[in-house]
Parts: sequence; C-alpha cells; structure tokens
Amino acid sequence: ETGVTQTPRHLVMGMTNKKSLKCEQHLGHNAMYWYKQSAKKPLELMFVYSLEERVENNSVPSRFSPECPNSSHLFLHLHTLQPEDSALYLCASSQSAVPGNTIYFGEGSWLTVV
Amino acid sequence: AQKITQTQPGMFVQEKEAVTLDCTYDTSDQSYGLFWYKQPSSGEMIFLIYQGSYDEQNATEGRYSLNFQKARKSANLVISASQLGDSAMYFCAMIGITGGGNKLTFGTGTQLKVEL
Repeated sequence: ETGVTQTPRHLVMGMTNKKSLKCEQHLGHNAMYWYKQSAKKPLELMFVYSLEERVENNSVPSRFSPECPNSSHLFLHLHTLQPEDSALYLCASSQSAVPGNTIYFGEGSWLTVV
Repeated sequence: AQKITQTQPGMFVQEKEAVTLDCTYDTSDQSYGLFWYKQPSSGEMIFLIYQGSYDEQNATEGRYSLNFQKARKSANLVISASQLGDSAMYFCAMIGITGGGNKLTFGTGTQLKVEL
C-alpha cells in the first residue's frame, strides 16, 4: 500500500464545474507537492508546500488553487478548467523541502476536462 | 537549470535478461541527486533508486543498479533478470542540491516492455 493516497483516481468534469483532488500522506513528511503529467511532456511541478506553507508556485494558472490544511493533507481545487488541463495529477511528499530528500508519489488522479 | 535526456522512447527485453535504460543530464550545480522512478499503467510513480553526485559507489537496490558516470553526465539504470512486472514507463529525474527547493526535473521517460 502506498504511503501517499489520492482521491479520486479518475475524474471527468465540465469546463464550468468545480471539483477538488485530495491527497493524504501517511509517512510523517513535512513537504507535499502537486505535479502535472500531460501526454508526451515531462512531469511539471505545480506547487510545493513545506509545513503547510506554500513555498513554490510554478506559474500555475489561478484556475488551480491548492490548499494544505495540515502536513498530512493537500488539496487541489479546480474551477473553470480547459480541455488542455486534462492530465494525470500526481501528489507527492518528502521528509522536508530541502533539496535531496527523496520524493514519494501517490497513484495519481486522472483528470479529463470535457 | 537542469535538463534530463532519455533518448529511448521504447525498449523491449526478454524475460530474465538484463536491460539498460539510458539517462544523461545537464546541470550547473556542483552537488545534485539523480533518481529513477517506475510508472506502471495505473499511474503511480514508484521510487526505485537514488544516486548522489558525490557518492563514490554506484547505487544498487535489489535488481536495480545505477551506472553513474559523472564525467559523461550519465546515470543509466540497469535492471537485471527482467520480469514481466517490470513492464512500465521509467523516468530519470534530478535535483540540484545547491539550488533552491526540493524540485525534481524529469526526463520524457522510456517505455519498457518485457516479453516472454
């Protein structure tokens, strides 16, 4: 069983919908991340949270809104998305956000925007 | 800035054979870390192995070993005794340790297919 769990695993939403992706880590880590994996493109870092504070926002459009209520949970709120936002969204965690800490990923949430 | 290059979009290997997946990198950081991840069709990104730039010995984890050649800036993954369950996408990634933040830069991946 993975130490990082994501729900839902699959989501289909219309462009006017509002939905959220949820991530929970059971590893006692202090840093959490959202990555986006589009077809035929390298994984892209979206957000980094360290001790519940956002430390990185990688030029992500405002239609993606992260929330980190505590060090174990991370959300990605989605609203008015575009079809090109369809991708696999991967949550990850590491012991800290200090470079060199191994990053452990969840199973991903497959998002389709129609 | 860091860059990872994986030149093999797809690889085939027979069961029980060894296979090498290529990875070259470019960075201006003096200190960095290299990772390999496996991604099955389910989507989960599974950590396999890590090599630090100052590690003198090549990393090994079970059937996985990392052939680290610093002068050539390559960090190839070797999988010994391939199994059908090894069929997946494999990503090479790196972190610049002297840079800011724990941010992985990924390559485009290699799709490995293990055949009977």
